[in-house]
Amino acid sequence: EIVLTQSPGTVSVSPGERAILSCRASQSVDLSHVAWFQQKPGQAPRLLIYATSTRAAGTPDRISGSGSGTDFTLTISRLEPEDFAVYYCQHYGGSPYTFGQGTKLDIK
Amino acid sequence: VQLLQSGGGMVQPGGSLRLSCEASGFSFSNFAMSWVRQAPGKSLEWVAAITGSAGTTYYLDSVKGRFNISRDNSKNTLYLQVASLRAEDTGTYYCVRWNQKFENWGQGSLITVSP
Repeated sequence: EIVLTQSPGTVSVSPGERAILSCRASQSVDLSHVAWFQQKPGQAPRLLIYATSTRAAGTPDRISGSGSGTDFTLTISRLEPEDFAVYYCQHYGGSPYTFGQGTKLDIK
Repeated sequence: VQLLQSGGGMVQPGGSLRLSCEASGFSFSNFAMSWVRQAPGKSLEWVAAITGSAGTTYYLDSVKGRFNISRDNSKNTLYLQVASLRAEDTGTYYCVRWNQKFENWGQGSLITVSP
């Protein structure tokens, strides 16, 4: 089972600035099988990025994903009020599909 | 794509429930589906998956023998039968369409396991 560790647990950033969220896997994973989700209170998760760096439909281009091996990053530039939420990384290369513990992006 | 969930509720430890997820807007039988749960204030946890033909199922180890994922392609509906429920099964359960990634999510169904 791939264990995903996200850091930091909470990050506070001002609107208009950039946030960088990290996700580390317990072993090297295929780039094709890493995703990022956004979740707002009371809502279902929403797919943002899949295959490490491919934006899902509706994901703005100021949100980008990168990484390789065991280290993956979600970067959100020019933060807007609707970006403040919890973000989860996921490995979906085979069951059990696993998620990180989440990073909460707070308004500074 | 729409995934409309129903079912859920409060149940005593050891009890059982059935969750449903009615799909629309896509050819349901062509897509594998999963259930993912989220305990209150916690992260996401994949629970079970089923292929489009329902020929193969996969489960999280902690739910094997207690949960059963199934589908009725004639009704465009996914099910999760949960039994022998424990307090740690409490949470919101989401159905998810698999399109080479976890692409579309239902609105969630809350299961509360409490005496």
